[in-house]
Amino acid sequence: GAVVSQHPSWVICKSGTSVKIECRSLDFQATTMFWYRQFPKQSLMLMATSNEGSKATYEQGVEKDKFLINHASLTLSTLTVTSAHPEDSSFYICSAGRGRRQDTQYFGPGTRLTVL
Amino acid sequence: GDSVTQMEGPVTLSEEAFLTINCTYTATGYPSLFWYVQYPGEGLQLLLKATKADDKGSNKGFEATYRKETTSFHLEKGSVQVSDSAVYFCALIAGSGGGADGLTFGKGTHLIIQP
Repeated sequence: GAVVSQHPSWVICKSGTSVKIECRSLDFQATTMFWYRQFPKQSLMLMATSNEGSKATYEQGVEKDKFLINHASLTLSTLTVTSAHPEDSSFYICSAGRGRRQDTQYFGPGTRLTVL
Repeated sequence: GDSVTQMEGPVTLSEEAFLTINCTYTATGYPSLFWYVQYPGEGLQLLLKATKADDKGSNKGFEATYRKETTSFHLEKGSVQVSDSAVYFCALIAGSGGGADGLTFGKGTHLIIQP
């Protein structure tokens, strides 16, 4: 149990376009999902916390107008990278929380975004 | 702010060797501590966790003990296998006692086990 999927697994887009990434919890309901970004050979950095039915909470330094997060249901959160630029190229990973404090997180396989 | 420091890799060992990957942290309150593993081509998986001081997390032969006095959560395994080759991340969730929090990760340690 506790499977999280992401779609697409990889995407290539032109500079200036927007890209939507979906994160789904397949066999459990997740009131909270998290979005991380991972640069090559570096750690995962938390971008934002996505709460079902309310606005996302963004970490310091993350532009909320650039990285739009929507958590419309208990099994789906989406991250839209708006007006993407080459510096947005990265590996984006979502996780869904479970447990009393949501302190056990199950991770999706990640989405590789390349902006040309 | 909160931070996690773990030993740089890659760490290369022979099969059946003893493994230690060091991890120390700084955090306010009483964090929960985790080790995640990322096998090639796969997503992160929870390996083990500990939620309070002196707790020992264990799974698949790996162990780590929450040491509050040294702010450490070192990962150990008595006899590694080739299949243990992966990237290992130490992480914490701050013990703020509030709502859900994201994880703060270390940079990851790439472990390579040679037959």
